[in-house]
Amino acid sequence: EPEVTQTPSHQVTQMGQEVILRCVPISNHLYFYWYRQILGQKVEFLVSFYNNEISEKSEIFDDQFSVERPDGSNFTLKIRSTKLEDSAMYFCASKIRDRAYNEQFFGPGTRLTVL
Amino acid sequence: AQSVTQLGSHVSVSEGALVLLRCNYSSSVPPYLFWYVQYPNQGLQLLLKYTTGATLVKGINGFEAEFKKSETSFHLTKPSAHMSDAAEYFCATANFGNEKLTFGTGTRLTIIP
Repeated sequence: EPEVTQTPSHQVTQMGQEVILRCVPISNHLYFYWYRQILGQKVEFLVSFYNNEISEKSEIFDDQFSVERPDGSNFTLKIRSTKLEDSAMYFCASKIRDRAYNEQFFGPGTRLTVL
Repeated sequence: AQSVTQLGSHVSVSEGALVLLRCNYSSSVPPYLFWYVQYPNQGLQLLLKYTTGATLVKGINGFEAEFKKSETSFHLTKPSAHMSDAAEYFCATANFGNEKLTFGTGTRLTIIP
């Protein structure tokens, strides 16, 4: 069964360092998302991506964040200069079509710890 | 703006007992409603969803949920809990024309043998 994969499962970094979180969406999906969950808080939407451009982003997704689909399979989230408050679980998701009721398939997440 | 409230961050039930996980939503337009489950070290998996039509929705693993517009609720139930149901459960909503999911804070379900 196809699934969304994410690497690494856990990333530890120093404050101010750049990190890249990687995701491989399901191969025939066209819409891609990043969400994050700070420990004990809600899962929050960060950004959606379609046709090689951002379609929507939240206020959390400031200039320190960027997304890219560098090839036909990977979808990455980059944080340029990490802050302590970026420590969270980051989930990638993908879906096949652009209807709000279509299922988003989630990866297992990357736990980012900023020291 | 959409929002989702899940009452009870932790719920414990005995094996074989009824599972009831509560979800209330706030939305200015008819919502689409979802329940996702997360098992340890795994991603979020869709249990069931409500879009339109029948208000009682059946999902995987014996779970079901009922959309009640008058109560703005979408509670998740299962008649008889199994040990394998232990997981974190998330309620989420989306709207036509607004594809992002808005999640509740999650409910951790523990099954007591």
